[in-house]
Amino acid sequence: DSGVTQTPKHLITATGQRVTLRCSPRSGDLSVYWYQQSLDQGLQFLIQYYNGEERAKGNILERFSAQQFPDLHSELNLSSLELGDSALYFCASSVGAGVPYEQYFGPGTRLTVT
Amino acid sequence: DAKTTQPTSMDCAEGRAANLPCNHSTISGNEYVYWYRQIHSQGPQYIIHGLKNNETNEMASLIITEDRKSSTLILPHATLRDTAVYYCIAPLNTDKLIFGTGTRLQVFP
Repeated sequence: DSGVTQTPKHLITATGQRVTLRCSPRSGDLSVYWYQQSLDQGLQFLIQYYNGEERAKGNILERFSAQQFPDLHSELNLSSLELGDSALYFCASSVGAGVPYEQYFGPGTRLTVT
Repeated sequence: DAKTTQPTSMDCAEGRAANLPCNHSTISGNEYVYWYRQIHSQGPQYIIHGLKNNETNEMASLIITEDRKSSTLILPHATLRDTAVYYCIAPLNTDKLIFGTGTRLQVFP
């Protein structure tokens, strides 16, 4: 158990819909990261927040957005969903940012778009 | 990020040491080497990281060559639960980890 929690574990929705994935970091961690893992793309970094502010951005689609709240939990919003958005979405957290802090990953949310 | 090269797959007998190599010949002086693993569809798990010196923790040992162009992750007594994909990463920017294809380690009885 990494100490990072993600909800829900599974999500099935239809194309065109919008969903919200939630992540609670380990106690004391200020950084939250989001990753997407699909069968044909491997693990892809999406976005990072540090203490409420966006810090780094990867190949995140414009239909996707995220935020980190004052209590440090984070939400990833996916809208206008397409079949290709079906994937595992992982959240990770670390104590700091920009220095060699290891990331601890949650169990993931499996999103299925039908 | 420094490009890392790992074998696609490896086998190891249970109870034996598993030695997973990684080549990172373009690594720069301030880039750490990280190892993570992912057990089937679970969240990736941090194992160990190092800069120049060899490192050891409760999970594994990391041996980095003196020229830092390669490293080896050692699982001293592999168990069936160590079957996973192992990723060697040398990120310039530790804010965004880029996972390659890794090494699929199969531990057999």
